[in-house]
Amino acid sequence: EAQVTQNPRYLITVTGKKLTVTCSQNMNHEYMSWYRQDPGLGLRQIYYSMNVEVTDKGDVPEGYKVSRKEKRNFPLILESPSPNQTSLYFCASSFGAGGVNQPQHFGDGTRLSIL
Amino acid sequence: AQSVTQLGSHVSVSEGALVLLRCNYSSSVPPYLFWYVQYPNQGLQLLLKYTSAATLVKGINGFEAEFKKSETSFHLTKPSAHMSDAAEYFCAVKIQGAQKLVFGQGTRLTINP
Repeated sequence: EAQVTQNPRYLITVTGKKLTVTCSQNMNHEYMSWYRQDPGLGLRQIYYSMNVEVTDKGDVPEGYKVSRKEKRNFPLILESPSPNQTSLYFCASSFGAGGVNQPQHFGDGTRLSIL
Repeated sequence: AQSVTQLGSHVSVSEGALVLLRCNYSSSVPPYLFWYVQYPNQGLQLLLKYTSAATLVKGINGFEAEFKKSETSFHLTKPSAHMSDAAEYFCAVKIQGAQKLVFGQGTRLTINP
């Protein structure tokens, strides 16, 4: 089954404790992206990757890091989490950057609470 | 910069009534347009996409959207609401050649029995 898998689904942690949210896709997609969803703001892109070893900033990259060492994986790293990073996070992938014939496939989300 | 505006953060309709969710975009060039649906505790699922082949686009679950260039709109409609349509709906735009989707703020649809 084609899917994007995120782990963990839920996490409560404390300020300053490094954490990683993993994302894996089994569709051989080149493009992967991370979004955060906040009430009233929709989804905002954090980082994206066009292919292995190619990453770039989205609209809200501050406080986040990513890596793309393998095509299927695109982990999101919070080196020193802060309460303003409490949010719902989504990973997505596609065969391109989401053009007409390349809709993005989304994971089920990771709800992070930073105390 | 391109943007997407969804009018109404919350829409409530009765079961069987018309559903209309509004989306306006700002772009100087023809964009790609999408509607996504998010059910509780799930990720986003593609409802439909504008391909430029036809201005009226049909999607899954009986939804459709009409692209109106003169109004820069891409409103989502369904003739008769069903209880299972209760969800949050997002309009998104991608400018050709750009590397990301820009999402609207989302509209939460509630269906009253």
